[in-house]
Amino acid sequence: GQQVMQIPQYQHVQEGEDFTTYCNSSTTLSNIQWYKQRPGGHPVFLIQLVKSGEVKKQKRLTFQFGEAKKNSSLHITATQTTDVGTYFCAGVDDMRFGAGTRLTVKP
Amino acid sequence: KAGVTQTPRYLIKTRGQQVTLSCSPISGHRSVSWYQQTPGQGLQFLFEYFSETQRNKGNFPGRFSGRQFSNSRSEMNVSTLELGDSALYLCASSLSRNNNSPLHFGNGTRLTVT
Repeated sequence: GQQVMQIPQYQHVQEGEDFTTYCNSSTTLSNIQWYKQRPGGHPVFLIQLVKSGEVKKQKRLTFQFGEAKKNSSLHITATQTTDVGTYFCAGVDDMRFGAGTRLTVKP
Repeated sequence: KAGVTQTPRYLIKTRGQQVTLSCSPISGHRSVSWYQQTPGQGLQFLFEYFSETQRNKGNFPGRFSGRQFSNSRSEMNVSTLELGDSALYLCASSLSRNNNSPLHFGNGTRLTVT
């Protein structure tokens, strides 16, 4: 089945620094979804990417889908303490999630 | 609109027992998926139901089973519990996965097996 790998597993940044998490699939994805899970909470949908090479922005968050539709990234500019949480990517084809990247932010 | 409701929120069981978890999806959502979340393994897909039929299944032993009712509510059952089954079990609903609609998660049931 589809394998979705996500790196890094953990990332600790100083507030104001940038953050990026990467998602790689062994197979071509129809599309990909990103979720955020705050500590003690449940995953919440952020965005879906469908087209090859697609780039979407949500305020300080930038999402990219690779040209081959096998990889994706989430970049946060100038992190804030409210960005703390675990970010997951998920391949829509069979809804397998990556292991997630846990982001901590030092004020 | 009410969100996804999972009951109970917390559960403590002993090894060898069995447990049933319940999930009520968002009204109008026909797809329900179940995930197991543990600190070391992330979100592991258990199974997905749509219109009372299991459409997809993860790599879990047969001790893990589920079903969906005509009102789209879903239950999952774990028999002969093992210590390693301790985890947060999350249910998610969506309009229809074929439409690539987002998953809406419940708050989960935290199961502890002693």
